[in-house]
Formats: sequence, C-alpha cells, structure tokens
Amino acid sequence: QKEVEQNSGPLSVPEGAIASLNCTYSDRGSQSFFWYRQYSGKSPELIMSIYSNGDKEDGRFTAQLNKASQYVSLLIRDSQPSDSATYLCASYSWGKLQFGAGTQVVVTP
Amino acid sequence: EPEVTQTPSHQVTQMGQEVILRCVPISNHLYFYWYRQILGQKVEFLVSFYNNEISEKSEIFDDQFSVERPDGSNFTLKIRSTKLEDSAMYFCASSAGLDTDTQYFGPGTRLTVL
Repeated sequence: QKEVEQNSGPLSVPEGAIASLNCTYSDRGSQSFFWYRQYSGKSPELIMSIYSNGDKEDGRFTAQLNKASQYVSLLIRDSQPSDSATYLCASYSWGKLQFGAGTQVVVTP
Repeated sequence: EPEVTQTPSHQVTQMGQEVILRCVPISNHLYFYWYRQILGQKVEFLVSFYNNEISEKSEIFDDQFSVERPDGSNFTLKIRSTKLEDSAMYFCASSAGLDTDTQYFGPGTRLTVL
C-alpha cells in the first residue's frame, strides 16, 4: 500500500515563528509533490509544488524535497494567525494525487 | 482568476437514492478528477478523466459510481443507490496536463445520506 505520512499535530507555533512540517512517502515512482492548505470544511488550496531535489521558496513558504530519503518538508516563516489550518502533503504518480492525513497547525498570538 | 466550481454545495439524500454532483472545471484544462473526504479522514482519489474516458480509478470507484462530461463545460459524478457511508465531501479538480501539472480543487459538495 503506497502511503504518504504526516504527523497529525496539532503543531502549536507562536506568531512570528517558523512552522516546520514534514512528510514521507513510500512510492518511489512519485513524480511531483504538493503542499495544500485546508481550512475546516473547505477544499484544499494549493500552497506550493516541488518536482526536483532541493529547496523551492515562494514568499513565506519554503518546500524541500529529498527523493533519496523520500522526504518532503514545508517551512512557514513569520507565521500568522491566518496560517492556522491543516496542511496536506500530496504525492503525484500514475495520474492521481495521494494525500497524507494532514498536519494541523495552530498559530498562537 | 479562473476557478473550479461545484454544485450543489450541500446535497441531502435518502439512502438508496441516486445523486448527481456537478462540476465546471477551469476552461482550458483537459484533465478532470473526483476526490472525496470523509469527515476527519484523508482526501481520497476516486477517478481521473481525460478525452472523454476514465484514465484511472481507485478501488472505491466501483459500479455504484460513474462520471460523464455531458457537454463542453460540465463534469459530473453520479452515485447510484447511495449508502450511509457515501456521506462525505466530494471535491472536483482539474489540471491543464498530467505529470507535474497542478490540480486545482473546487469548493466541494457535502453529501449527506440519511
């Protein structure tokens, strides 16, 4: 069974601090990776995509991919209360996204 | 900014009834998907659709389910003879291409089966 694993949290982060989220995947055939943010009762909203080993930065977000270790991470810098949500890691292979269960992030003022 | 739309936002049905969930993908996208999320659980892939046929489907997508692109804009998911366990959020998504291309999600339809 191909899986995407994430710590469920909640991850409590003081406002202004860095939130660090981790994800591992089991399917070595996965071609690309995505971080989505999901507010309660809402649909997944794309934050970042990453396809190659290394870091990718977009504003306050940095994604890291290490295919050898089958590991993806997301850093959120200068965390804001509006960042409080569940963050979903997803791997893409064979025409579909496989999602982790998500990490709940709570940013405390 | 173009977005995926879904109707209705909430559908309540009786067990055994048929429901049709509707989606309008982003206009220049060619690949369409349905996912579902049971309350408190992971988002799960159901089916992908390209060039008027199913590309991939999960083990969840059995004979109870069907998809259709009835015209140039709509993409539908039909669930026949609904069961209590079909209660979930159903998300439609679309992408311009395959492989690395990003899937954009609609707002979802909450299906409640009584």
